[in-house]
Amino acid sequence: EVQLVESGGGLVKPGRSLRLSCTASGFTFGDYAMSWFRQAPGKGLEWVGFIRSKAYGGTTEYAASVKGRFTISRDDSKRIAYLQMNSLKTEDTAVYYCSRDYGDPAGYFQHWGQGTLVTVSS
Amino acid sequence: DIVMTQSPDSLAVSLGERATINCKSSQSVLYSSNNKNYLAWYQQKPGQPPKLLISWASIRESGVPDRFSGSGSGTDFTLTISSLQAEDVAVYYCQQYYSTPYTFGQGTKLEIK
Repeated sequence: EVQLVESGGGLVKPGRSLRLSCTASGFTFGDYAMSWFRQAPGKGLEWVGFIRSKAYGGTTEYAASVKGRFTISRDDSKRIAYLQMNSLKTEDTAVYYCSRDYGDPAGYFQHWGQGTLVTVSS
Repeated sequence: DIVMTQSPDSLAVSLGERATINCKSSQSVLYSSNNKNYLAWYQQKPGQPPKLLISWASIRESGVPDRFSGSGSGTDFTLTISSLQAEDVAVYYCQQYYSTPYTFGQGTKLEIK
């Protein structure tokens, strides 16, 4: 059974940094692209970015709203995807989800974690 | 970026009746080389992550009840629930994966009338 568990969320002050982790099990982690999404309180879904598998160069793409501030990485030996968030803004407050892509990447998402809440506030 | 626009924003339907949600993309998400529409539908219930219902505009995920169906091509798509059940109360999102950034519609909140 595919499982994704996010961790690392919490309360952080504007301008500070936070790193989220997504620990995976139940599939060959290294074979898939991994994406991060977010959902601000009471709002819709926003794709944050993805990281391809090492077979496809492990390259990344990001939404314009986070490009230059957020970085996605992966450790295939630990089966973890990371979301490093720097220079956080109040508008980054959201539940952050990681998701396994259907492919590498395919762009649609069957498996999701339960999410971790990030609150950016002074 | 491709903008996805859903209608209506909210919808109330009686149990057993049909529910129809529309999704329009600002440009075609039909890839001509393979004749596939890069469009997915998700269901999200409160406090839960999204659940993939349909990919490629009309391919139902394994385990998704057959009362859910997707249709459309190019820029106009529809999610239909043929006979609404109480457990279908949720917010529904369309998402394009034709190009990055992947983008979602604003969501349609489906309730029981």
